[in-house]
Amino acid sequence: DVKVTQSSRYLVKRTGEKVFLECVQDMDHENMFWYRQDPGLGLRLIYFSYDVKMKEKGDIPEGYSVSREKKERFSLILESASTNQTSMYLCASRTGGVYEQYFGPGTRLTVT
Amino acid sequence: AQSVTQPDIHITVSEGASLELRCNYSYGATPYLFWYVQSPGQGLQLLLKYFSGDTLVQGIKGFEAEFKRSQSSFNLRKPSVHWSDAAEYFCAVGAPDSSYKLIFGSGTRLLVRP
Repeated sequence: DVKVTQSSRYLVKRTGEKVFLECVQDMDHENMFWYRQDPGLGLRLIYFSYDVKMKEKGDIPEGYSVSREKKERFSLILESASTNQTSMYLCASRTGGVYEQYFGPGTRLTVT
Repeated sequence: AQSVTQPDIHITVSEGASLELRCNYSYGATPYLFWYVQSPGQGLQLLLKYFSGDTLVQGIKGFEAEFKRSQSSFNLRKPSVHWSDAAEYFCAVGAPDSSYKLIFGSGTRLLVRP
């Protein structure tokens, strides 16, 4: 079974803090994704990585950056957290050449 | 650009009743179509997918979906709902010319009455 894990299920941070969300997958998948999930808006793609050290912006990259130094790990970074980044963050991975994505359990981030 | 619409924000059904969740997409050709389910506090799990061929596809947990090209729809169905089906359901579209992206609908939350 594919396993995608996220470092925290719940996180509370203060405005202006630098925040790291970590995602690890154990299936040697080439592609990894970070989404943001908000009520009524579904999932919106923040960043995508198609290989180690390779990344592309998604639909809502503003205020976020990412890092992928190893194939199994994909980090989402909030350089200076703001209250409008309070949300559920979902990580996903997939192997190249297929469309199915496998999701982690999510991190619910609250910025106060 | 492709888009996905799930017109129902909430649906409530009684346990044992049948279920249909609606999904409409906008794309010039036949896209790749998916249904995912998200149980409370969990990530998304793939229920089923359609790429080509038979327009009625079977998935896990007793779900099925039917692709109707003329209506640009990919509705999810289950003949008899169980209380454990209470969750949020997302329809997603992947366009063949956008190989890495899935576009998700806004989701439908299913409530099951005992």
